[in-house]
Formats: sequence, C-alpha cells, structure tokens
Amino acid sequence: GAGVSQSPRYKVAKRGQDVALRCDPISGHVSLFWYQQALGQGPEFLTYFQNEAQLDKSGLPSDRFFAERPEGSVSTLKIQRTQQEDSAVYLCASSSGYRGTNTEAFFGQGTRLTVV
Amino acid sequence: GNSVTQMEGPVTLSEEAFLTINCTYTATGYPSLFWYVQYPGEGLQLLLKATKADDKGSNKGFEATYRKETTSFHLEKGSVQVSDSAVYFCALSPSNTGKLIFGQGTTLQVKP
Repeated sequence: GAGVSQSPRYKVAKRGQDVALRCDPISGHVSLFWYQQALGQGPEFLTYFQNEAQLDKSGLPSDRFFAERPEGSVSTLKIQRTQQEDSAVYLCASSSGYRGTNTEAFFGQGTRLTVV
Repeated sequence: GNSVTQMEGPVTLSEEAFLTINCTYTATGYPSLFWYVQYPGEGLQLLLKATKADDKGSNKGFEATYRKETTSFHLEKGSVQVSDSAVYFCALSPSNTGKLIFGQGTTLQVKP
C-alpha cells in the first residue's frame, strides 16, 4: 500500500482480555516503531524493530506488552490481560533508514483501544 | 533525561495572523528536532526538521530554527490559513536512537 496501515482502527476490550494490534509498514522499510498516545498527550515510544530484530523495547510499560516482527515486515503488538490504563491510541511508524539516520518516519492512523 | 515542552493550547487565530508555537527541550548529546502535524482524521505527518544547531527547517510556509543556546525550536508562520487548523507536536530524537520524544501537542484553530 501507499502508507502505513494499522488494524483494527478501533478495538473495545473487556478488562482482562488479550488484544493484538497489527501494523503493515511501507514495503521495504527497515525500521518500525510503536508508540502509545494517551488522550490529550503526545505519543510515547514503546519499541523499535530493525528488520526482524527488536533492538529497543525500553518503552514497553510492563511485561503484559509484547511486540514481534518475525519476517521483518508486518508487526503485531500484543497486550495481555488488558487494564483500563492501557486505553490509548497505539501508533505504528516506519522509515526506510536505519535508526539514527534521521530518515523520515511515516505514521499510520493508529488503533484506538478502549478497555472497559 | 530527554523531554520536550510546548505551549499549551488551544491557540485560536484569525486567518492571515502570525503564528508562533513555543517549544523547548532538554536533551543530552546532540538531538535532532522535529515538528509533526496531525490534521483532523489523519495520521501524524512530518512538517519540518533540523538536525544541528542553527539549522532552519521550513515547509509549507512554516519555519523553525534549532537554537542550542536557548534549547528551543519555536514554530512560526507568517500568515495562517483555515487549512492549517490541526494539532502540532514538537519532538526530539536523541542521537543515533531513531526514536522520537514528543511534547504534549498544541491545538491550532484558525477562524475565517
């Protein structure tokens, strides 16, 4: 596709349920980032992949959060046993360059997760 | 640590008014600085960037200058349009990390 695609766009989960959020980056982009954006706040970094390698997961808030990119393209962010504080928009971004090269990151429209 | 602080909104201006959105940062090393914009119903888009001190980023009539001495990267536009109504985010990327650290965002509303 032409841009970064995320699915689903909206997800409502009951507290305690597991969820999986998908990101399809721009084809050929080596770098992929996940961010969490709470209502009225700026996005906060969660994790970074270079191809299939997860090189930085310093922003994952707890061990309930897990991300993978097994073939270096599509990525999935999984949240286990969701809690109300997990309610946020989850953004995915990809770029053609390796980290530190200041290559533009292209963002998807995000998945809005609401935990009830 | 690394952080970004930007002026609180919302900012409401009349069309053709001058715009300034203040942004200051705290960082170790030599970060790159960015402004991103989010139009209603759309994803974040890069507006402009500057990678070293005294660089000026510019795009679509918007400008921002990387000021190391004041740790600032204020966004300016000489004459805003209704179509500029959006949320603007200032961000920094610490050296060689690739990740972005965002401010909280400033909502701009331009009235005809």
